[in-house]
Amino acid sequence: EVQLVQSGAEVKKPGESLKISCKGSGYSFTSYWIGWVRQMPGKGLEWMGIIYPGDSDTRYSPSFQGQVTISADKSISTAYLQWSSLKASDTAMYYCARHSGTWATILIEWGQGTLVTVSS
Amino acid sequence: QSALTQPASVSGSPGQSITISCTGTSSDVGGYNYVSWYQQHPGKAPKLMIYDVSNRPSGVSNRFSGSKSGNTASLTISGLQAEDEADYYCSSYTSSSTLLFGGGTKLTVL
Repeated sequence: EVQLVQSGAEVKKPGESLKISCKGSGYSFTSYWIGWVRQMPGKGLEWMGIIYPGDSDTRYSPSFQGQVTISADKSISTAYLQWSSLKASDTAMYYCARHSGTWATILIEWGQGTLVTVSS
Repeated sequence: QSALTQPASVSGSPGQSITISCTGTSSDVGGYNYVSWYQQHPGKAPKLMIYDVSNRPSGVSNRFSGSKSGNTASLTISGLQAEDEADYYCSSYTSSSTLLFGGGTKLTVL
C-alpha cells in the first residue's frame, strides 16, 4: 500500500525558518515525482512544485519560485518543503502528493496534510 | 498564472446529474489532454477522481466521468448521492511545464 506520511502541525513566528517533511512508502520513491500543494484557510488548492528524487530535478510554480525550497533525501524516502523566513501569509495546510503520468500531471496519492500557522 | 475558472458552486438533487466546468486557455486545458479532477471533503486530503481528461482510477465510481472541448473541461456526476457533496478541483498541465488548479467548486446535494 502506498503511503505518504507528513510531519505534524507547526506554529511559528514571522521571520522564523521551517522545514516540513513527507515520507513515502510502498513504492519506488526514486521513480516518481513528488510535490507540494498549498491550501490557505477556506481557499482552493495551489500547486507549488515537484522534485524527482532519482536525480533531484526540481520544478516550481512561478508563484512559489524563490519563496520556498523543495528537496528530497532518497536514502530515507522523504521529501521536504522549506522556508527561510516565514510570513503570516504562509499560514496554510500543505499537502504532499505523489505525481504520476507522462509529465507528472496526476496527483495520484496525497499525504494527510501539515498545518502551518505563522503568527506573532 | 491565474487559476483555471470553475463555477463557485453547483447543486443537484439525489439521483440527478450535474456538470462542473473548468475553463482555461490554449496554453493549458486546450493544449494538452492532461486534465485531472479531485474531490475534497471538509477536513480531508483531496482524492483523484479523473485523470487525462476522461480516465477513472481504480475504485472510483463509474458515476464520475470527464470530457473536454476546446479550452473547457467538464466533470459530470450522474446519479447524485449524498456522499458526493464535496469540493471539486480541476487541474491542467501548462505550457510552462507546471500544473495549474481551478478555483474549486462546492457541490451541494439538496
